[in-house]
Amino acid sequence: AQSVAQPEDQVNVAEGNPLTVKCTYSVSGNPYLFWYVQYPNRGLQFLLKYITGDNLVKGSYGFEAEFNKSQTSFHLKKPSALVSDSALYFCAVRDMSGAGSYQLTFGKGTKLSVIP
Amino acid sequence: GAGVSQSPSNKVTEKGKDVELRCDPISGHTALYWYRQRLGQGLEFLIYFQGNSAPDKSGLPSDRFSAERTGESVSTLTIQRTQQEDSAVYLCASTLPSPTQYFGPGTRLTVL
Repeated sequence: AQSVAQPEDQVNVAEGNPLTVKCTYSVSGNPYLFWYVQYPNRGLQFLLKYITGDNLVKGSYGFEAEFNKSQTSFHLKKPSALVSDSALYFCAVRDMSGAGSYQLTFGKGTKLSVIP
Repeated sequence: GAGVSQSPSNKVTEKGKDVELRCDPISGHTALYWYRQRLGQGLEFLIYFQGNSAPDKSGLPSDRFSAERTGESVSTLTIQRTQQEDSAVYLCASTLPSPTQYFGPGTRLTVL
């Protein structure tokens, strides 16, 4: 079975400061990893993904994430937070081996609040 | 190009009524997913369609829930005899045979 943990329900950061939203995962095979963002009353928007290759993945709106296989983590980062980054962030994993490998498993989400 | 669209955007219904939610995937996307998102929760997988293969219904919470998709086009999610615990946002996503899912804006269902 695959699972995702987002240990923080909420992250508060001052505008202009770096931000990190944490994610750890568990799969039996090789993972595909994703970050999505959800603004109020909106669907999920794709931010970035890790499939293979470089461990540092760059995505939309200046976000990046680092895949760490030994720590089974895929933390989302941004060097300088904007108030407009305030939203709900979801990490998701897909195990590329075995049955049901098309399913994405989502974390419970982390609410990011960027304070002016 | 056009993204995933869902209708209605909001639906308020009375307990015991049936509702039908619609999803129009991105043209050419062969796979389609339905998810449920309860208030303050993550996404709960409901059902998966891939082309003409038999759908994976393993996430449907009860036999009151059903979904259909004709070929690689529109999908409808039907909830019969709605209950208050069915209140949630229902999200649809579509994808090519690739890992990235693209989501619609969702349908917010409120059962009174």
